[in-house]
Amino acid sequence: AQTVTQSQPEMSVQEAETVTLSCTYDTSESDYYLFWYKQPPSRQMILVIRQEAYKQQNATENRFSVNFQKAAKSFSLKISDSQLGDAAMYFCAYRSGGGSNYKLTFGKGTLLTVNP
Amino acid sequence: NAGVTQTPKFQVLKTGQSMTLQCAQDMNHEYMSWYRQDPGMGLRLIHYSVGAGITDQGEVPNGYNVSRSTTEDFPLRLLSAAPSQTSVYFCASSYRLARYEQYFGPGTRLTVT
Repeated sequence: AQTVTQSQPEMSVQEAETVTLSCTYDTSESDYYLFWYKQPPSRQMILVIRQEAYKQQNATENRFSVNFQKAAKSFSLKISDSQLGDAAMYFCAYRSGGGSNYKLTFGKGTLLTVNP
Repeated sequence: NAGVTQTPKFQVLKTGQSMTLQCAQDMNHEYMSWYRQDPGMGLRLIHYSVGAGITDQGEVPNGYNVSRSTTEDFPLRLLSAAPSQTSVYFCASSYRLARYEQYFGPGTRLTVT
């Protein structure tokens, strides 16, 4: 079974600075997708960024980018120019590319605090 | 589009009571699922469905029942509530390919006393 590990329960960053959230995963599959979800205090789960395992290029979405190291099974999220609105719980998630399950396997989350 | 809707937003139950959490989506997604979120545990899959009339168990299915009679609706039934089922419940949906984003509902906070 796949597992996702987020080793940082909490992180903090100063406004306008850069922060990196770590995620590692364990799988024997070659076809899969990785996601970062953001959960602000409103509780809503919001997709931040997605990475396809077959793509070597790291995904970017505005101030959010990932460092995808397939051999190391690492998928970290970098937030540049941090804003107060970035404060949230961040979840890394894995989804198999095959089979009929389509489930997301989540890490336990990293709580990000942004200091003004 | 309303996206994924869930009702109620909050619920308090007594041990042994039953109830149904409602979930609906208007995006014509084949895949729907229920997760529960507990502190320090991330989200864990309870049940899922890949289409009307098809359901299957996730990793924590005990104490829960689901059915999928239409593409739009995927209710979650608690048969006899227990304090261990105190949690936040999320419904999610997506197209039936792994590369597609799962859209989440706003969640239901359930407390069982």
